[in-house]
Amino acid sequence: LAKTTQPISMDSYEGQEVNITCSHNNIATNDYITWYQQFPSQGPRFIIQGYKTKVTNEVASLFIPADRKSSTLSLPRVSLSDTAVYYCLVGPPGYSSASKIIFGSGTRLSIRP
Amino acid sequence: DVKVTQSSRYLVKRTGEKVFLECVQDMDHENMFWYRQDPGLGLRLIYFSYDVKMKEKGDIPEGYSVSREKKERFSLILESASTNQTSMYLCASSPQSGSSYEQYFGPGTRLTVT
Repeated sequence: LAKTTQPISMDSYEGQEVNITCSHNNIATNDYITWYQQFPSQGPRFIIQGYKTKVTNEVASLFIPADRKSSTLSLPRVSLSDTAVYYCLVGPPGYSSASKIIFGSGTRLSIRP
Repeated sequence: DVKVTQSSRYLVKRTGEKVFLECVQDMDHENMFWYRQDPGLGLRLIYFSYDVKMKEKGDIPEGYSVSREKKERFSLILESASTNQTSMYLCASSPQSGSSYEQYFGPGTRLTVT
């Protein structure tokens, strides 16, 4: 599966838009890009998934350029409760790839008042 | 909402004990997973099951075994607990249709082996 690289940590302030970028230079044609959020002492929570261009839901937007070698998770108007670790995963759908999922160390996002 | 529950939030066991961690999901998902999470190492997959009585090893299966006798329940067994198995253990499930990357996690069990 494609290896991903994302910043170890980021800081921002309440009300700002936060963009977390993930690099995945070896992404394969049938790979999807998925982001998870994890709060302290909880399991990760699925945020958003996409294949190309832009995906938006009630929580975030995911921007994927045409070459798909990177992706950006965008959190609009963050609040203190968005302080968490964010993981970027890349891989093909289907249960056959489930055992190869790699979460990595993620990006630790800290939001300040 | 999908609900994944784990039998304990905190557990303290002694070295050499046999430890059972239970996970139950209520959404009829085919896939179930056990991970451990350690500081600086992220989440690492221990075992994965895609059907009842079926299992596959993940990245770090040594010292662990699993059991899936019913679709909704996936158990992780530490045959003889050791101090290096002190960790946060997370169970997850996902449907087999669609992307297996959309996993639903339980709250975790923080296991301490003394």
